[in-house]
Amino acid sequence: NAGVTQTPKFQVLKTGQSMTLQCAQDMNHEYMSWYRQDPGMGLRLIHYSVGAGITDQGEVPNGYNVSRSTTEDFPLRLLSAAPSQTSVYFCASSAPPGRGAYEQYFGPGTRLTVT
Amino acid sequence: GESVGLHLPTLSVQEGDNSIINCAYSNSASDYFIWYKQESGKGPQFIIDIRSNMDKRQGQRVTVLLNKTVKHLSLQIAATQPGDSAVYFCAENNGSGGYQKVTFGTGTKLQVIP
Repeated sequence: NAGVTQTPKFQVLKTGQSMTLQCAQDMNHEYMSWYRQDPGMGLRLIHYSVGAGITDQGEVPNGYNVSRSTTEDFPLRLLSAAPSQTSVYFCASSAPPGRGAYEQYFGPGTRLTVT
Repeated sequence: GESVGLHLPTLSVQEGDNSIINCAYSNSASDYFIWYKQESGKGPQFIIDIRSNMDKRQGQRVTVLLNKTVKHLSLQIAATQPGDSAVYFCAENNGSGGYQKVTFGTGTKLQVIP
């Protein structure tokens, strides 16, 4: 089991560029989420998905899009990068409630810098 | 709005001593509280959780205490080891709408002195 994998590990973008952060899990988890972590802060929820074909907004969704075409993959798209999106991005997955939903498994993160 | 916060940003503990990390929460509707450990350069790792209808839960070398009267959560680590050095986050779960939305606090850095 690889768990939750994220690519790339590091990325530098210029303002206005777009890119996709990849996330995949091999635990057959229905729930997947994207968080961002800024220096000295906790994680803030960007978007989440409760199953293939179902996504919804979290706390800070502006500037990001997601899709969930398969159970395994949950890519995060930055449409037009801005310096305010400089952050570390974490993807997480978990089982539905009643089956350990609170034990989210996190990927290693993608460190994004927007200049 | 509702928030989850921590009392101490940095905690230094002698190896072998017990550590206590505190957390204040404000959302009385939260149904679960979770502690995560984050080592440098890694993603958060689940440690232990506690339901809102409990006041204590124990794991391996860790105990979480929940005081709903004063909206306070704590994580106790017994016999702290160098490998416990990390940032610890408390988080609260709001289960409304079927999805478990987890709100994280800002974190406490635990430094273990050998």
